[in-house]
Amino acid sequence: GAVVSQHPSRVICKSGTSVKIECRSLDFQATTMFWYRQFPKQSLMLMATSNEGSKATYEQGVEKDKFLINHASLTLSTLTVTSAHPEDSSFYICSARGGGDTQYFGPGTRLTVL
Amino acid sequence: AQSVAQPEDQVNVAEGNPLTVKCTYSVSGNPYLFWYVQYPNRGLQFLLKYITGDNLVKGSYGFEAEFNKSQTSFHLKKPSALVSDSALYFCAVRDMLGTALIFGKGTTLSVSS
Repeated sequence: GAVVSQHPSRVICKSGTSVKIECRSLDFQATTMFWYRQFPKQSLMLMATSNEGSKATYEQGVEKDKFLINHASLTLSTLTVTSAHPEDSSFYICSARGGGDTQYFGPGTRLTVL
Repeated sequence: AQSVAQPEDQVNVAEGNPLTVKCTYSVSGNPYLFWYVQYPNRGLQFLLKYITGDNLVKGSYGFEAEFNKSQTSFHLKKPSALVSDSALYFCAVRDMLGTALIFGKGTTLSVSS
């Protein structure tokens, strides 16, 4: 199947700093990318949907100024957590979809804000 | 609004026995249904999907799922469980017009030897 990578896999940062997470589709062009957040032993909560070259569509309750999403190319989307706080600590997972129906998921990024 | 229900937080089976992980859904129009598996601290791996066609869908690692429109269900099954099948399983749905998948809460499958 299609491969989606995320970098970094784990990041620890101080409160107030910004963190950027990259999501890449390695062997297909992703017309749409999605960012999810997962709390321990819970389901995935959709944060936003982004289409290449367009502004991301954020889900209700997700602060667009705090979680900046850029989908500059058909193989790369980035999520920047600005002015991170301990409550932003979570497992962030991206997924990508090309021309088909299946979303393929990255391995996730564990963010810990001290 | 679309929604997915996985009524069981945990399913326990013995190795070699058949397993079923339940999923029901609610969506406008025809559903696009998916099963994913997640191992600890990892992303989600695609198992199988139903879009149209035969109600019984076969997927990776010997898993299959049966689409039942009247019961709005899409239960995941495997004839003979392996210890290595132990993981967290997610059912997901989207409608024909939707984009992002909506996930159930997940079911932890534990297969004992």
